Amino acid sequence: GNSVTQMEGPVTLSEEAFLTINCTYTATGYPSLFWYVQYPGEGLQLLLKATKADDKGSNKGFEATYRKETTSFHLEKGSVQVSDSAVYFCALRSGGYNKLIFGAGTRLAVHP
Amino acid sequence: DTAVSQTPKYLVTQMGNDKSIKCEQNLGHDTMYWYKQDSKKFLKIMFSYNNKELIINETVPNRFSPKSPDKAHLNLHINSLELGDSAVYFCASSQEAQGFYEQYFGPGTRLTVT
Repeated sequence: GNSVTQMEGPVTLSEEAFLTINCTYTATGYPSLFWYVQYPGEGLQLLLKATKADDKGSNKGFEATYRKETTSFHLEKGSVQVSDSAVYFCALRSGGYNKLIFGAGTRLAVHP
Repeated sequence: DTAVSQTPKYLVTQMGNDKSIKCEQNLGHDTMYWYKQDSKKFLKIMFSYNNKELIINETVPNRFSPKSPDKAHLNLHINSLELGDSAVYFCASSQEAQGFYEQYFGPGTRLTVT
């Protein structure tokens, strides 16, 4: 079946550090891939997406590239800020209905 | 204006009780969802409705019953609550059911069963 595996957190960084959160997937067919972010006390928000191999999704300084050969969609940001502290979820959609399969989430804590 | 709203925000109740969580969206979307997020932040879809029709029904105990009176509302009723039902429940909506349309999430309802 379809599944998403993310690196375990928490990830603790100093402000302006480089961020990588690893995500790999298992899916039949050609899934679409997403990163969602959940700020404390809030619902999830779509951060970025990629719908086919080699696509790069980007938003708010975050980037992720759809790598079919390694079945990966790692999230990166060159310089994190305290305001980026949140839980990040990698997700995939495969099949007809708009059904998302989420990874377990990775908590990011950025300190000044 | 809140796009996807849920009530209540917090719900504390005892085992064996029956409770409901309500969700409303003012985005004009056709499709709505319920997700459960457990204490480890793991998020899993439970149900989805498109135009008041159930289209996704994951392996969920039949104590959970969704109801969609119209496209803008999707409620979740839980009978005979158990300790393991404690979680945060998120409602979401999207424009349509097929193809990728961004899902917009509500703020969540934290259910605590004692």
